Amino acid sequence: SQKIEQNSEALNIQEGKTATLTCNYTNYSPAYLQWYRQDPGRGPVFLLLIRENEKEKRKERLKVTFDTTLKQSLFHITASQPADSATYLCARPPSGGYNKLIFGAGTRLAVHP
Amino acid sequence: ETGVTQSPTHLIKTRGQQVTLRCSSQSGHNTVSWYQQALGQGPQFIFQYYREEENGRGNFPPRFSGLQFPNYSSELNVNALELDDSALYLCASSSQGQGENGYTFGSGTRLTVV
Repeated sequence: SQKIEQNSEALNIQEGKTATLTCNYTNYSPAYLQWYRQDPGRGPVFLLLIRENEKEKRKERLKVTFDTTLKQSLFHITASQPADSATYLCARPPSGGYNKLIFGAGTRLAVHP
Repeated sequence: ETGVTQSPTHLIKTRGQQVTLRCSSQSGHNTVSWYQQALGQGPQFIFQYYREEENGRGNFPPRFSGLQFPNYSSELNVNALELDDSALYLCASSSQGQGENGYTFGSGTRLTVV
């Protein structure tokens, strides 16, 4: 099956540090991966997309990497702030079509002052 | 530009009842997808609608059905509600073929089945 696995344990870090979240996928390498942020009681908000031929993509304090050998994507937030506290979801399209996304369970990030 | 709007925000139903959830897609988006998110889990794909037709379906029974209207808004209907249907139901809109640019999600409808 085509799974997305994220570290289910919450990540607690100190303000100002870099948060690193992991997303591992199984079976075939997807054409791209997407990262979303979700706050409690709200819908996911799209942050970044990285394609399989891209090693790294940046957006402001966010950086995403895509390692097709390790079958892994890393999501970094530099100079983290308490406002970055949320659940971060990784998602991939399935093989053979792009009509849907397969989401991981998400990793909850808590940034402490 | 308006985002995705879902209604109602919260709903409590009794097992065996039927429910209809509504979604208005973002302006310019012609594709609507519905997801179910249980507590502590990622969203699970239910189905997608494009041009008023179902355009892909996840592993959900037929009692989950939907509609898309000419203005691209959509409904999710669930019949014979079960306790396990309690979840956050999310609507996401996109332009067909542009889903790789990211989906725009609504805030969801929290359904509780008792």
